Amino acid sequence: EAGVTQSPTHLIKTRGQQATLRCSPISGHTSVYWYQQALGLGLQFLLWYDEGEERNRGNFPPRFSGRQFPNYSSELNVNALELEDSALYLCASKSLAKNIQYFGAGTRLSVL
Amino acid sequence: AQSVTQPDIHITVSEGASLELRCNYSYGATPYLFWYVQSPGQGLQLLLKYFSGDTLVQGIKGFEAEFKRSQSSFNLRKPSVHWSDAAEYFCAVGVGGATNKLIFGTGTLLAVQP
Repeated sequence: EAGVTQSPTHLIKTRGQQATLRCSPISGHTSVYWYQQALGLGLQFLLWYDEGEERNRGNFPPRFSGRQFPNYSSELNVNALELEDSALYLCASKSLAKNIQYFGAGTRLSVL
Repeated sequence: AQSVTQPDIHITVSEGASLELRCNYSYGATPYLFWYVQSPGQGLQLLLKYFSGDTLVQGIKGFEAEFKRSQSSFNLRKPSVHWSDAAEYFCAVGVGGATNKLIFGTGTLLAVQP
């Protein structure tokens, strides 16, 4: 069974640009979570999507947004990039039956 | 507010020695508790979880953890550490009912000496 896959592995952008990160959940999982792991800030919850809807949001500005597609894959968009957005972005998926989040390997976003 | 504390930022143990990583949580309801491990440049791998029932839970790679409600703790243990266990370990609590998000501790970086 394939795990959670994220693309790209690395992304380099300049300040003010937009970044798009992608996540494919484990087959059968309907929920997708996004977390930010920034140096010195630890792992912070960003967004939760379930059945195509945004269900919960962490303490991040509106320029962090995303969506979930009918096949349950998800995109995270970060607009007007700032230097402090540089971080590892982790995606996790969860099935309806089990309260366990399984993580992908992450996308490392570097903002120059 | 919900929170997770991992008081040890960095721990060094000798290969073959026992290990205990500490985790304390603050959460009003019955917690869902997790330990994840992260190797350099990798995502998080689930080691074990506690939802209810037996307070001593077994996980992968020979790890176990004990839930102590009176101490609000969920410490991770391993009787004999291997060099491949060197990694960063995160304790997390699931909050919001159907675990709609995880609150993580700041992590403990484990180094293993030969």
